[in-house]
Amino acid sequence: DAGITQSPRHKVTETGTPVTLRCHQTENHRYMYWYRQDPGHGLRLIHYSYGVKDTDKGEVSDGYSVSRSKTEDFLLTLESATSSQTSVYFCASRGGAHNEQFFGPGTRLTVL
Amino acid sequence: SQQGEEDPQALSIQEGENATMNCSYKTSINNLQWYRQNSGRGLVHLILIRSNEREKHSGRLRVTLDTSKKSSSLLITASRAADTASYFCATEIDNNDMRFGAGTRLTVKP
Repeated sequence: DAGITQSPRHKVTETGTPVTLRCHQTENHRYMYWYRQDPGHGLRLIHYSYGVKDTDKGEVSDGYSVSRSKTEDFLLTLESATSSQTSVYFCASRGGAHNEQFFGPGTRLTVL
Repeated sequence: SQQGEEDPQALSIQEGENATMNCSYKTSINNLQWYRQNSGRGLVHLILIRSNEREKHSGRLRVTLDTSKKSSSLLITASRAADTASYFCATEIDNNDMRFGAGTRLTVKP
């Protein structure tokens, strides 16, 4: 997990409220990703970024938006949280010798 | 949709035994990667095998890839209690399309 952090680590919110999750990396990686992890589904890509202000949708992007104003920060926003968005959210950046993904520690989000 | 699917879903072995996990996928890939996830933590990259490779080793890990069968296996030799974790295969189609399976939960009993 070194070099990539997420905040908050845990959050409980109510249906209909906006939520923003933050990912911060110190590796100067160009690519960053947001995934959600649910039992029986593995990790599913929500959105990704290939540079500052350059983002695109992933497999399960409905209900989520992202922003990347600096190389090191990638924000995930749930405009109006729903119970189906209760999940563990992981951020990742891409780099290294094998161009692998480095994951943050995750954010456990509960939407009541 | 998931691209890679691991088998078995759960595996329990004794310390010192070997653990084998399999991954099947559906479409052509650039490479296949294996990751480990300890409980409550993020995923950690273990090993990458490219589509033109058949076998790779890293310490106690051995990965094979059979592109004709669209399958891969991860072998952990001489397992330790610390190997207890979930293991995921991830198939990469391009830089922005990496699909993860649901994982194999490995328990190594001391």
